[in-house]
Amino acid sequence: EPEVTQTPSHQVTQMGQEVILRCVPISNHLYFYWYRQILGQKVEFLVSFYNNEISEKSEIFDDQFSVERPDGSNFTLKIRSTKLEDSAMYFCASSDVFPTNTGELFFGEGSRLTVL
Amino acid sequence: LAKTTQPISMDSYEGQEVNITCSHNNIATNDYITWYQQFPSQGPRFIIQGYKTKVTNEVASLFIPADRKSSTLSLPRVSLSDTAVYYCLVTNSNYQLIWGAGTKLIIKP
Repeated sequence: EPEVTQTPSHQVTQMGQEVILRCVPISNHLYFYWYRQILGQKVEFLVSFYNNEISEKSEIFDDQFSVERPDGSNFTLKIRSTKLEDSAMYFCASSDVFPTNTGELFFGEGSRLTVL
Repeated sequence: LAKTTQPISMDSYEGQEVNITCSHNNIATNDYITWYQQFPSQGPRFIIQGYKTKVTNEVASLFIPADRKSSTLSLPRVSLSDTAVYYCLVTNSNYQLIWGAGTKLIIKP
């Protein structure tokens, strides 16, 4: 069964450092997303991406965050200067249909980011 | 905004049917209702989606009354492995899904 894969599974970094989280969405999917989940809290939308550009982003997704699809398979989330409050599990998701009403999102297993 | 409200937690026993109800009073005409399941340290996984009346798949059933202001996820004959957090979502805008706190379901032997 096709799946979304994410790397690394866990990254520990120092405050102020840059972090890149990588995702390989399901191959025929066109819509890509990043969500985060702080330990014990709810899932929060960060950004959606379609046709090589950001479709929508939340208030969390400030200038410290960026996304990129550098080639035909990878989808990356970059945090330029990490803060302690960026510590969370980051989930990548993809879908093959416009998600307004129907269709499911396929989530990866997540990348746990710990900022010290 | 179509905000959802669910019970924070529920307990049940193996072999029982579990019903989790979600209220979404501000649901818009074109919105669908979707349920996801999440195990600890894993990504959410799609369970079921519906617009009105009843939808059934191999995992669960979803009941949506005519006014669509609530929905009920029904899990038949639960097992210990159904212990997870269950999220009810209503589409908010073109791309964004708004997640509530979910319902933590604990299945006991």
